[in-house]
Amino acid sequence: AQSVTQLDSHVSVSEGTPVLLRCNYSSSYSPSLFWYVQHPNKGLQLLLKYTSAATLVKGINGFEAEFKKSETSFHLTKPSAHMSDAAEYFCVVSEAQGAQKLVFGQGTRLTINP
Amino acid sequence: EPEVTQTPSHQVTQMGQEVILRCVPISNHLYFYWYRQILGQKVEFLVSFYNNEISEKSEIFDDQFSVERPDGSNFTLKIRSTKLEDSAMYFCASSEYMEGTQYFGPGTRLTVL
Repeated sequence: AQSVTQLDSHVSVSEGTPVLLRCNYSSSYSPSLFWYVQHPNKGLQLLLKYTSAATLVKGINGFEAEFKKSETSFHLTKPSAHMSDAAEYFCVVSEAQGAQKLVFGQGTRLTINP
Repeated sequence: EPEVTQTPSHQVTQMGQEVILRCVPISNHLYFYWYRQILGQKVEFLVSFYNNEISEKSEIFDDQFSVERPDGSNFTLKIRSTKLEDSAMYFCASSEYMEGTQYFGPGTRLTVL
């Protein structure tokens, strides 16, 4: 069965500094991996997804994530944080073969300090 | 840009009452989903729906829950007799095809008193 562990429940960075949100996964098959973001009172918005093509995936708003099979990791990064990046971030896994269920990590709250 | 919408944004109900949560998926999407997030816990899959049938459901989705697409645009989640532990944020999602990206609505916060 798939599972996802987000290693930090809360990350705080200063505006203009790099962001690193960590995620490890467990999956029996070749997984699809996603990062979703949730701003207050908004739905879950897809940031980026990995589906067995390039291991470095670029998403919206300058975010990217690297799939590392040997480390079973899919960490989310951004070179320079912006105040608007403050939100809850979810790492998500889905089995690639015909499964519909998404399995979520517990979320990481990102705070940006001015 | 098309988006998934959900109503109401917040529903308060008494224990034992029936509630219906409503969702309007993106218009050309064929697969529909419900997830929930109890406060302080992970987002959990409840059910997926395609071609007017449940295609997958979790162990949470017991006989108290049902889903329906009553009119070709709405997708509803019904809880027949709510319990205190049903209090959660309920998210609807839709995708164009089975392994397609799931697009989520803003959620309905259900409070059972």
